[in-house]
Amino acid sequence: KAGVTQTPRYLIKTRGQQVTLSCSPISGHRSVSWYQQTPGQGLQFLFEYFSETQRNKGNFPGRFSGRQFSNSRSEMNVSTLELGDSALYLCASREWRGTYEQYFGPGTRLTVT
Amino acid sequence: DQQVKQNSPSLSVQEGRISILNCDYTNSMFDYFLWYKKYPAEGPTFLISISSIKDKNEDGRFTVFLNKSAKHLSLHIVPSQPGDSAVYFCAASGNNAGNMLTFGGGTRLMVKP
Repeated sequence: KAGVTQTPRYLIKTRGQQVTLSCSPISGHRSVSWYQQTPGQGLQFLFEYFSETQRNKGNFPGRFSGRQFSNSRSEMNVSTLELGDSALYLCASREWRGTYEQYFGPGTRLTVT
Repeated sequence: DQQVKQNSPSLSVQEGRISILNCDYTNSMFDYFLWYKKYPAEGPTFLISISSIKDKNEDGRFTVFLNKSAKHLSLHIVPSQPGDSAVYFCAASGNNAGNMLTFGGGTRLMVKP
């Protein structure tokens, strides 16, 4: 099976802009989670989608949002970008919410200038 | 408050010897634990997991030990190989803990030939 794919891999944006990141889960996986990795805060949970519904949300401001489509693909959006949003954004999928093992994509490296 | 802690930021071992990576947690709601390996510019790769009903799980060169009373787990790699050099993250989850992954800060393992 193909792994989790994320596009784009690298992105440079300016403060105040918005950005949309995309994630395609492993075939058959219905749950998609997003994580942010920064040097200072480590790996932090953003949110999880299952059956097109947000099931869980981490401690991030409302500028961070996401959605999931009927084919389980997911997008996350960050509006009004701040310098501190520069990070590696990771998408992870799992078969369903009852399993714990999550499989990660390669990530999108976002740089905000 | 860090619910999952990896107190050693780095560890250096000789090829062929045992690598022991440690992880402590504070949230008693966690009942499932995972180890991930991460190379730079890549997403974390799932290695091995353990349920709280067990105290040991083995998969090839990797063994995870769980001490619930001490809220401590460890990953043993035997024998260590240069290709094992990476950052290792422990993560915790549980139905009563939001079902998402809560990560430790990571330990950088360097295996010297």
